[in-house]
Amino acid sequence: KAGVTQTPRYLIKTRGQQVTLSCSPISGHRSVSWYQQTPGQGLQFLFEYFSETQRNKGNFPGRFSGRQFSNSRSEMNVSTLELGDSALYLCASSFVGVPETQYFGPGTRLLVL
Amino acid sequence: AQSVTQLDSQVPVFEEAPVELRCNYSSSVSVYLFWYVQYPNQGLQLLLKYLSGSTLVESINGFEAEFNKSQTSFHLRKPSVHISDTAEYFCAVSPAVRGNTGKLIFGQGTTLQVKP
Repeated sequence: KAGVTQTPRYLIKTRGQQVTLSCSPISGHRSVSWYQQTPGQGLQFLFEYFSETQRNKGNFPGRFSGRQFSNSRSEMNVSTLELGDSALYLCASSFVGVPETQYFGPGTRLLVL
Repeated sequence: AQSVTQLDSQVPVFEEAPVELRCNYSSSVSVYLFWYVQYPNQGLQLLLKYLSGSTLVESINGFEAEFNKSQTSFHLRKPSVHISDTAEYFCAVSPAVRGNTGKLIFGQGTTLQVKP
């Protein structure tokens, strides 16, 4: 069974631009969560989607948004990029969410210049 | 609100020696507990988790962790480490409350460095 895939793996943007990251969950998984990983703040929860609905949200500004499609694939969007948005963005999938085991993708590394 | 503290940012250890990675948490509600491992340039992989029942949980690769409710701890141990165990280890909690789904709260991570 294929694992969680994330595209692109690396991305360079400039301040003020917007970016869209994609996550394809393991086949059959309906829950997709997104996390931001930085050296200073560590791993922080962004949001979770299940059956195209956002069920849970972390403490991030409205510039961070996401959506989920009917095939469970998910995208997250960051508008008006700031230098501090440089991070590794990880998505994780599971059948129905925590406390089930979450399977993480390799991440998208975003660099904002 | 919940928080997780991993008491050591780096733990150097020689191969075949035992190791303990410490994790304490704070929460006003019951939580589920997890240990994840991250190898360089990879995502996180679940090592083990505690949901309920026996307080000692084991992984398939020799790690174990014990849930101690009175000390709010979930320390990870391995009796004999290998070079291949070199990685970053994250302790995480999730509130065991209705409506909380898909959210893990992570500690800052502990880098385990196994030396030959």
